[in-house]
Amino acid sequence: KAGVTQTPRYLIKTRGQQVTLSCSPISGHRSVSWYQQTPGQGLQFLFEYFSETQRNKGNFPGRFSGRQFSNSRSEMNVSTLELGDSALYLCASSLGQGKDEQFFGPGTRLTVL
Amino acid sequence: AQSVTQPDIHITVSEGASLELRCNYSYGATPYLFWYVQSPGQGLQLLLKYFSGDTLVQGIKGFEAEFKRSQSSFNLRKPSVHWSDAAEYFCAVGRHSGYSTLTFGKGTMLLVSP
Repeated sequence: KAGVTQTPRYLIKTRGQQVTLSCSPISGHRSVSWYQQTPGQGLQFLFEYFSETQRNKGNFPGRFSGRQFSNSRSEMNVSTLELGDSALYLCASSLGQGKDEQFFGPGTRLTVL
Repeated sequence: AQSVTQPDIHITVSEGASLELRCNYSYGATPYLFWYVQSPGQGLQLLLKYFSGDTLVQGIKGFEAEFKRSQSSFNLRKPSVHWSDAAEYFCAVGRHSGYSTLTFGKGTMLLVSP
């Protein structure tokens, strides 16, 4: 079974630009969660999508958004990039219940200059 | 709101020595608890999880963890550390509401000395 894939793996953008990151979950998984990882704040939950609906959201500004498609693939978008958005963005997929194991992708390393 | 505390930012252990990484959680009910490991440049890999029942859980790579409700702790242990165990370890708590959201601790970086 293929694991969670994230594209691109590395991205360099400048302040003010926008970026779209993609996540393909494990086949059969309906839940995709996104996390931001930074040295200062650690791993922080961004949002979760389940069956194309956002069902939980972390404490991030509206510049961070996402969506999920009918095949469970998910994208997250960050508009008007700021230097502080530089981070590793991790996507995790699961069957969608609280006790299900979440399988993480390798992440997308975003650098904002 | 739930929270997780990993009091040790870095730990150095000699190869072959035993290991214990500490994790304390705050949650209103019996939590779902997880330990993940992250190697440089990689995503997170699940080591073990606790949902209910036996408070000593076994995981992969020879790791185990013990849930202690009275201490709100879920410490990770390994009897003999290998150089390949050097990585960052994260404790996390999950919600009972059905959501897949995890709240992570800040992580403990394990260094293994020869």
